[in-house]
Amino acid sequence: GENVEQHPSTLSVQEGDSAVIKCTYSDSASNYFPWYKQELGKRPQLIIDIRSNVGEKKDQRIAVTLNKTAKHFSLHITETQPEDSAVYFCAAFTGGGNKLTFGTGTQLKVEL
Amino acid sequence: DAGITQSPRYKITETGRQVTLMCHQTWSHSYMFWYRQDLGHGLRLIYYSAAADITDKGEVPDGYVVSRSKTENFPLTLESATRSQTSVYFCASSELDRGEQFFGPGTRLTVL
Repeated sequence: GENVEQHPSTLSVQEGDSAVIKCTYSDSASNYFPWYKQELGKRPQLIIDIRSNVGEKKDQRIAVTLNKTAKHFSLHITETQPEDSAVYFCAAFTGGGNKLTFGTGTQLKVEL
Repeated sequence: DAGITQSPRYKITETGRQVTLMCHQTWSHSYMFWYRQDLGHGLRLIYYSAAADITDKGEVPDGYVVSRSKTENFPLTLESATRSQTSVYFCASSELDRGEQFFGPGTRLTVL
């Protein structure tokens, strides 16, 4: 089955700096890669996603890049703000059972 | 997000008792999922369902039972709760062949 690895597990940045979270996947059939943000005590919420026919996608301060050859994808957050502090999860979708395989999460802390 | 709800939001029970966690969605999504979230493990899939009366095991199904008699409901039952089942449980739903999953607000379960 699919295996998703996520790094780093914790990330601390200064407000205004950029943050990058990286994930690798094992199944070349995976074709959809969402990113979820989970604030403390809240549900995971989809913040951005990318499909395998696209190399990069941006939405204001966040962007996701995909390298299918290397089987890795990354989340980029620019001009970080305190409200970006949360746990971020990457995931990969192969279609089988409509299941997502999640990474283990990155705790992002944006310091003032 | 109001389209998927979970009840109860908090539950304390004792070892050996039966507990049922409820999940209800109003989008008529085909697929529904149960995850547990524990520190250091991210989101782990317990069971999922492709449609009414169709369910299948996920990564960590032992000790859990599910049913899906109606498309909109997907209850999760712990037949004899154990302390290791203390966790936060999230229900999610998605459309067929669409990777995006939408999460409910979660149930925090404590087994004493």
